[in-house]
Amino acid sequence: AQSVTQPDIHITVSEGASLELRCNYSYGATPYLFWYVQSPGQGLQLLLKYFSGDTLVQGIKGFEAEFKRSQSSFNLRKPSVHWSDAAEYFCAVGLNDYKLSFGAGTTVTVRA
Amino acid sequence: DAGVIQSPRHEVTEMGQEVTLRCKPISGHDYLFWYRQTMMRGLELLIYFNNNVPIDDSGMPEDRFSAKMPNASFSTLKIQPSEPRDSAVYFCASSLRGRDHEQYFGPGTRLTVT
Repeated sequence: AQSVTQPDIHITVSEGASLELRCNYSYGATPYLFWYVQSPGQGLQLLLKYFSGDTLVQGIKGFEAEFKRSQSSFNLRKPSVHWSDAAEYFCAVGLNDYKLSFGAGTTVTVRA
Repeated sequence: DAGVIQSPRHEVTEMGQEVTLRCKPISGHDYLFWYRQTMMRGLELLIYFNNNVPIDDSGMPEDRFSAKMPNASFSTLKIQPSEPRDSAVYFCASSLRGRDHEQYFGPGTRLTVT
């Protein structure tokens, strides 16, 4: 069965520091991969996506993610976080039937 | 372009009452998804439609839940009768075939059943 694992439930990072969120997936084929962000009280917003080609993808708000097939990973990174990056982040994999399977999410707290 | 629109944004109701949540997808999108988000279970897919036809309702928790899509611009999720354990945030999302699974989410409806 397809699954998405986000090992870190909660990460605290200082403003200006780098951030990396981990995502591992279990899927038979090359998946469609996504990162979404959810600010408190808001819906999910797409940060970036990977389908094929260059394994390093750039997204909005200064985020990037790298697809590593050998590790079945799609980790999200940002070189320097801002207080506004405090949110919950979800990794998702696209399935054959147009559905998305979401990870449990990682909550990011940014301290001044 | 307007995004996915959901109403109401907040709903408080008493156990046993009927609750109807509404969703207007992005114009032109042919897939519509209903999700439920709770602390315990995270984000769960309840049901999704393609061209107004329900494709997979295996995530609907029980017969108290029903969803319809009478036309391409409107969908409802109904809970009858509601129970306290239905308290959650319900999201609607839409996508366009050929756009590689990219889903656009609405702001959600926070449902509280007392």
